[in-house]
Amino acid sequence: DAGVTQSPTHLIKTRGQQVTLRCSPKSGHDTVSWYQQALGQGPQFIFQYYEEEERQRGNFPDRFSGHQFPNYSSELNVNALLLGDSALYLCASKDGGLAGLYNEQFFGPGTRLTVL
Amino acid sequence: GQNIDQPTEMTATEGAIVQINCTYQTSGFNGLFWYQQHAGEAPTFLSYNVLDGLEEKGRFSSFLSRSKGYSYLLLKELQMKDSASYLCAVKSGATNKLIFGTGTLLAVQP
Repeated sequence: DAGVTQSPTHLIKTRGQQVTLRCSPKSGHDTVSWYQQALGQGPQFIFQYYEEEERQRGNFPDRFSGHQFPNYSSELNVNALLLGDSALYLCASKDGGLAGLYNEQFFGPGTRLTVL
Repeated sequence: GQNIDQPTEMTATEGAIVQINCTYQTSGFNGLFWYQQHAGEAPTFLSYNVLDGLEEKGRFSSFLSRSKGYSYLLLKELQMKDSASYLCAVKSGATNKLIFGTGTLLAVQP
């Protein structure tokens, strides 16, 4: 049973460009969250997708957008890249929808984005 | 506001016991997680507390006091492979949004 997978592993972009990161959730999971982790910091919540809709959003600008597909996989898009967007982008998945009881989130290995 | 505090770095000796503390101030508390993260890797789940008290799982234990907004992770019989960052995260509200602390970088020395 494959866990959460993300692609690509590493990515280098220049300021002003756009980037798309991809995530496939763990089998049986229907909810995907995206986090940004700067070096030496804890992950920061970007947004969460369930039933192909953005359900909750953290304090990130509109340059950050996403999508969830019918197979529960998800994309994170970042437009007009800034140097400060350089970070590890983590995808986490869970089952059971948005709320409910304890539902452990499983993290993918992340995509390391470097903006030059 | 929402705030989670944990020490930035800790050092301990192989075979010893170490306690990593976490204090939090959040709205709509709905559980506290501890994750382990090795450099360059994804966070991996260690423990979850939603009620007051101690949860033990092998060499790792986690404690929660909701009235004090306080948790700790206890690691026993430390091994070199326990050198990693330990993240405290609070589940906020009814959804699964996790608010993370900055992490505590633990160095286990021989």
